Amino acid sequence: AIQLTQSPSSLSASVGDRVTITCRASQGISSALAWYQQKPGKAPKLLIYDASSLESGVPSRFSGSGSGTDFTLTISSLQPEDFATYYCQQFNNYPPLTFGGGTKVEIK
Amino acid sequence: QVTLRESGPALVKPTQTLTLTCTFSGFSLSTSGMCVSWIRQPPGKALEWLALIDWDDDKYYSTSLKTRLTISKDTSKNQVVLTMTNMDPVDTATYYCARTIMTTHAFDIWGQGTMVTVSS
Repeated sequence: AIQLTQSPSSLSASVGDRVTITCRASQGISSALAWYQQKPGKAPKLLIYDASSLESGVPSRFSGSGSGTDFTLTISSLQPEDFATYYCQQFNNYPPLTFGGGTKVEIK
Repeated sequence: QVTLRESGPALVKPTQTLTLTCTFSGFSLSTSGMCVSWIRQPPGKALEWLALIDWDDDKYYSTSLKTRLTISKDTSKNQVVLTMTNMDPVDTATYYCARTIMTTHAFDIWGQGTMVTVSS
């Protein structure tokens, strides 16, 4: 099974900061990677699919890049509503579909 | 508008079988490329994918849980059902259903989730 390792597991940042989260796959997954945002008590929300495609309605400050084994999610200017937990997920080789362990973005 | 909603018992006893239903609207699971998955999240922990069923009735399961899981669909009712046998307290989690369109390779629409507690 493909393992996804996210780093860091948590970070503290201020409003306006540029934030980068990485996701490393244990083997190549082409560009079949998605990113989700989850707020407490809520279902995850799709942000990015196919590694770099922005889901409709998602602010352009969110961007994704990478292919193969190394991927990044970048928030160009952190907003108050962006404090949440972020997950990557691969869809290249299944079963199983797998998620990363999550990155919690907290207010500094 | 695409929506999904999970339903099922909030409390089950150890060793019992859990049956969850995902009722959806705004799309048809008989349309090529459409899939529905079940995903769970124990309190304070990460997301875990459980099972997927596609428009062609192909079914895929978590490697570690496949002996306990069965996923099925009723296209006429717009429902997907997940059964999980031999429930244990470690299965306590919020259970979500989510749609995938194979062209996007992602879960684009999620239900609100249903919390299931396993306790005697």
